[in-house]
Amino acid sequence: GAVVSQHPSRVICKSGTSVKIECRSLDFQATTMFWYRQFPKKSLMLMATSNEGSKATYEQGVEKDKFLINHASLTLSTLTVTSAHPEDSSFYICSARVQDREETQYFGPGTRLLVL
Amino acid sequence: GENVEQHPSTLSVQEGDSAVIKCTYSDSASNYFPWYKQELGKRPQLIIDIRSNVGEKKDQRIAVTLNKTAKHFSLHITETQPEDSAVYFCAASLNTGTASKLTFGTGTRLQVTL
Repeated sequence: GAVVSQHPSRVICKSGTSVKIECRSLDFQATTMFWYRQFPKKSLMLMATSNEGSKATYEQGVEKDKFLINHASLTLSTLTVTSAHPEDSSFYICSARVQDREETQYFGPGTRLLVL
Repeated sequence: GENVEQHPSTLSVQEGDSAVIKCTYSDSASNYFPWYKQELGKRPQLIIDIRSNVGEKKDQRIAVTLNKTAKHFSLHITETQPEDSAVYFCAASLNTGTASKLTFGTGTRLQVTL
């Protein structure tokens, strides 16, 4: 149980385009999902907390207009990197919390984004 | 906000030996401490967690200890095996319901050699 999927697993795009990443909880409902960014050999940096049916809460320094988050259902959250630039290249990972176990976060497999 | 420090950054042990990774946290109100294992290019996998009302928890070869007074917690892996080689992250969280979020340590790269 508690499986989280992420799509796509990797994407290469041209500078200036937008990229959408999907995060799905497959066998549970998730009122809260999280989006992280991870640089090579570094820790996970929380970008934002995505709450179903309400606006996302962004961490300090993360541009909300740059990283659009939508959590329209209890099993799906999306992250859209708008007008992507090479410095946005990174490993993006989502996680989800099971409704009745508020603390535990289960992670998706990650999306490797390369912006040319 | 919460700050989590993790040591060592790299750790090399021989197969069969024990490995210990230590973390400290800054917010005394934090009450949930998970440990994740991440293999190269893969997702972080929860391996064990502990809550602040417990001092120690064990699951086969893995154990975690928590010292609330000193605000530090440790991961202990006994009888290490090559498949234990990975990056391990500790984290701390203040569970206030929907507002809680994890703050991660900087990671420890564990290498188990034959």
